[in-house]
Amino acid sequence: DAKTTQPPSMDCAEGRAANLPCNHSTISGNEYVYWYRQIHSQGPQYIIHGLKNNETNEMASLIITEDRKSSTLILPHATLRDTAVYYCIVRVATGANNLFFGTGTRLTVIP
Amino acid sequence: DARVTQTPRHKVTEMGQEVTMRCQPILGHNTVFWYRQTMMQGLELLAYFRNRAPLDDSGMPKDRFSAEMPDATLATLKIQPSEPRDSAVYFCASGPPGWGDETQYFGPGTRLLVL
Repeated sequence: DAKTTQPPSMDCAEGRAANLPCNHSTISGNEYVYWYRQIHSQGPQYIIHGLKNNETNEMASLIITEDRKSSTLILPHATLRDTAVYYCIVRVATGANNLFFGTGTRLTVIP
Repeated sequence: DARVTQTPRHKVTEMGQEVTMRCQPILGHNTVFWYRQTMMQGLELLAYFRNRAPLDDSGMPKDRFSAEMPDATLATLKIQPSEPRDSAVYFCASGPPGWGDETQYFGPGTRLLVL
């Protein structure tokens, strides 16, 4: 049961910022926004998560709108190795710990 | 650099044979998940464990699939008998204990082909 909507594909020039949008208009107050990515032939990789504040780590930044109905994952300087499928997932932090991956956004970083 | 390990990485078998996939979660993690990925269905949760106890296996075909955690360092997923429609990549993931940190760390997967 998908709770998120993402564009199926995006391109980004190498070295530029990649901004991946996600809509989650039905998000509940206790649900976090998680981002994972899956590089071809590998297992999904955790990127970042947040509840309502913007978050930043060594991989990316997560910007969540004030109403929490959408968010953007930002890869500040995309490299060819960032080419992957990016999944935006909303879920409660405790209890049911399964992740519903949906179809994600296929990001292609172009040289 | 702690990682989830899975064996075997690849498996080709014939229909009707038993298949056993193994997963070693990251040391200290107390949740283990099994997912299956196909082109048609994407990533689907099959089962998950917390502190070695199965919490949800509703995504798993009960008649042929079974998942266990004999100890905290080993999780197994068995298919008996296997069928061609079981061909997929099977991922194991583990997660740390704690409140609010439900991040899952995935292994490299087992690519299963049932002929």
